[in-house]
Amino acid sequence: SQTIHQWPATLVQPVGSPLSLECTVEGTSNPNLYWYRQAAGRGLQLLFYSVGIGQISSEVPQNLSASRPQDRQFILSSKKLLLSDSGFYLCAWDPGQKTQYFGPGTRLTVL
Amino acid sequence: DQQVKQNSPSLSVQEGRISILNCDYTNSMFDYFLWYKKYPAEGPTFLISISSIKDKNEDGRFTVFLNKSAKHLSLHIVPSQPGDSAVYFCAALGGSNYKLTFGKGTLLTVNP
Repeated sequence: SQTIHQWPATLVQPVGSPLSLECTVEGTSNPNLYWYRQAAGRGLQLLFYSVGIGQISSEVPQNLSASRPQDRQFILSSKKLLLSDSGFYLCAWDPGQKTQYFGPGTRLTVL
Repeated sequence: DQQVKQNSPSLSVQEGRISILNCDYTNSMFDYFLWYKKYPAEGPTFLISISSIKDKNEDGRFTVFLNKSAKHLSLHIVPSQPGDSAVYFCAALGGSNYKLTFGKGTLLTVNP
């Protein structure tokens, strides 16, 4: 069966510091991968998606970037965090079909 | 521009009764709809989906109804259980677009 992992589970970072969040999927090949953010009191917003290694599409211009160095690995990064980057970050995958499956999430607090 | 709307931020029902969660959308290109359940500090869990070629899909206690002419869908949970208490998100997908568009969610509380 397929599983999706995210780490760290929680993170507290100062403004201006770098960020790296990692997502890996097991039990599948060539998944579509996604990064979402849920800000307090809001729905989920798609940030990036990837249909293959090195292929990244950005949905919202912002202070973040994404990379896919391996087939089942998706990384969310920032060079300098802003207060507004705080939120709950979710990685998701789909096997080329329409239903997306989510990871456990990372709670990021920028102080 | 909110393309998927869940107008009720919260809903409270008694255990054993029916829970009805509603969702409206504005984009006619949406052709696939999903419901997710989310507990605090966890990722959303997929519940049930429906294609625009259908008007009903049932899975155990969960049934989703789609009214395309009204651009409205609803999730029925029967009977409701205390473990169903969570935030429920409606999401929509259109054509070849990979982007899931989410509503803001409805907090369901099922009272024992």
